[in-house]
Order: sequence, then C-alpha cells, then structure tokens
Amino acid sequence: AQTVTQSQPEMSVQEAETVTLSCTYDTSESDYYLFWYKQPPSRQMILVIRQEAYKQQNATENRFSVNFQKAAKSFSLKISDSQLGDAAMYFCAYRSASYSGAGSYQLTFGKGTKLSVIP
Amino acid sequence: GAGVSQSPSNKVTEKGKDVELRCDPISGHTALYWYRQSLGQGLEFLIYFQGNSAPDKSGLPSDRFSAERTGGSVSTLTIQRTQQEDSAVYLCASSSHRDSGYTFGSGTRLTVV
Repeated sequence: AQTVTQSQPEMSVQEAETVTLSCTYDTSESDYYLFWYKQPPSRQMILVIRQEAYKQQNATENRFSVNFQKAAKSFSLKISDSQLGDAAMYFCAYRSASYSGAGSYQLTFGKGTKLSVIP
Repeated sequence: GAGVSQSPSNKVTEKGKDVELRCDPISGHTALYWYRQSLGQGLEFLIYFQGNSAPDKSGLPSDRFSAERTGGSVSTLTIQRTQQEDSAVYLCASSSHRDSGYTFGSGTRLTVV
C-alpha cells in the first residue's frame, strides 16, 4: 500500500516571502500522480498543482511550483511571494495511474501541513 | 452545476439515529468519491463510483455505512445507528475522467451527540 508523509505539521512564512512544504511518499509503482491540495477554513479542498510521475519537468502554477524527485520519492511544494490568502491546510496526495483492482483510484493523503502567513 | 454541492453543510444527530448525506457532483462527471476527514485519522477514502456502480467500496468502515448513486449523478451516503466515532467531515469529490484531479465539495460536518 502507498503511504504519504508530511513531516511538518505547521509552518509559518512572512508575507511576500517563500516557503517550501515537504512531502515524501512510498510506492512500488512507476506510474502515478501526485497532487497538492489546499484546504482553507471553508473546508473545500482546492487543487493547487498536480504532477505526472512520467514527466521529469516540475509542474508550475503561477506562484506555486513543485520539486519532484522521483528516485528520492519526494514531492515538495514551493510557494513564492506568499499572500495572506495562502494561509490554509495543505495536503499532499498520491494516486495510481493504472487500475489494478479495488482501491487504485483513490487518493492517499498525507496528514497535512498548516500554513500561517504573517503580515 | 458549477461545483460539487453537498448537503447538509452541518448535521447534529443523536447516537443511534440514521443520517443521510447528499452529494451533487459536477454535471457530466462520471466518477464520484466519498472521503472522511477526522482529527485523529486525517483523510480516509470511503467509496468510489463510476457511473452508478461502485467498483471500490474498500474504505467503508463498517456495514453501518452504505452509499448509492442514481442516474449517474447524485449520491447519498447513509450511516445507520450512528456512533460518536462517526463524527467527522464527510467530503465528496467528482472527476470527469480517471486521470484528472478531483473537484471537492465543501463537505458535511457530522456531529454525533
């Protein structure tokens, strides 16, 4: 079974600064997807960025970018020019790319990192 | 609809009562997922629907939990004889095809007293 580990329960960053959230995962599969989701107090999980494992190029979405190290099974999220609206819980998630039986389409989440942005 | 809609937003129920939680996915999304988010357990997968069928029910924690989906659209998660450990936020998500990120609803916060 796959596992996702977020080792930082809480992080803080000054407004306009850069912060990196860590995520590691364990899998025996070679093809999969990785995601970062943001969950503000409204509870809705918002997709921030996704990465296909077969792509070597790191995904980027505006101020959000990832550092995907497949061999190390590491998938960190970098937030540049942090804004007050970035304050939220951030979850790293894993999903298999191929269907191999019951359970393989589900997302496996880490425990989350609570990010605070200091004005 | 424009997004995934869940109702009710909050539900308080007495221990032993049955509850129904509703999820209305984005129109045209064939895949639908239920997750449970609790303080001690993080986010747990419950069940996955493709159309009206549920090929993956592996996450349902007990036979008190059941779910159905009708018309390839609305889904209902039913919890019978609720227990205090069922208190959590129940999140629904949908996707248009299997390799896309999911769109989540805002969840139902269930409190069993």
